Amino acid sequence: SQKIEQNSEALNIQEGKTATLTCNYTNYSPAYLQWYRQDPGRGPVFLLLIRENEKEKRKERLKVTFDTTLKQSLFHITASQPADSATYLCALGGRASGGSYIPTFGRGTSLIVHP
Amino acid sequence: EAGVTQSPTHLIKTRGQQATLRCSPISGHTSVYWYQQALGLGLQFLLWYDEGEERNRGNFPPRFSGRQFPNYSSELNVNALELEDSALYLCASSLVIRTDTQYFGPGTRLTVL
Repeated sequence: SQKIEQNSEALNIQEGKTATLTCNYTNYSPAYLQWYRQDPGRGPVFLLLIRENEKEKRKERLKVTFDTTLKQSLFHITASQPADSATYLCALGGRASGGSYIPTFGRGTSLIVHP
Repeated sequence: EAGVTQSPTHLIKTRGQQATLRCSPISGHTSVYWYQQALGLGLQFLLWYDEGEERNRGNFPPRFSGRQFPNYSSELNVNALELEDSALYLCASSLVIRTDTQYFGPGTRLTVL
């Protein structure tokens, strides 16, 4: 069955450092991968989308890589700030088994940026 | 432009009761999705509506149902509530399912006592 893995342990880093979050998947051939930010008790907020034929995408301090051979995406936040503290979700969409096009979400990784 | 709105913000029910949650998508969006996010778990897909029709359904029992109205707003109904139904219920909307981003509402926190 499809599986998306994100590190369940919180990532603690110092302000100004680069945070790197990992999303691994199995039994899936996604057409795209997305990263969302979710604050406690709130709905996820879309950050970036990267397609299967793209290796890297950037937006301001954010960078996403997508390696379909390794079945892995890395999400980087450079010059991290305490305001970046949140849970980050990865979601895969596209050619899922059974023909469904509903994105499948990982459980998310909590990022804590210390001042 | 207004985002996705959901009501109520919080809902407290007792076991066996029914709950009705509402969602208004972003103007122009025809697809509405419902997700359940129980404490410590990822988003679990419940239902997808587009143009008034149910397009897909997640692995949930039939007591979870819904509908989409002609104005594309949507309603999620949960019958015969159980304690484990306590969760944050999120609604999202999008323009085109395959490539567009889902825009999420703030959620409805359902507590079943």
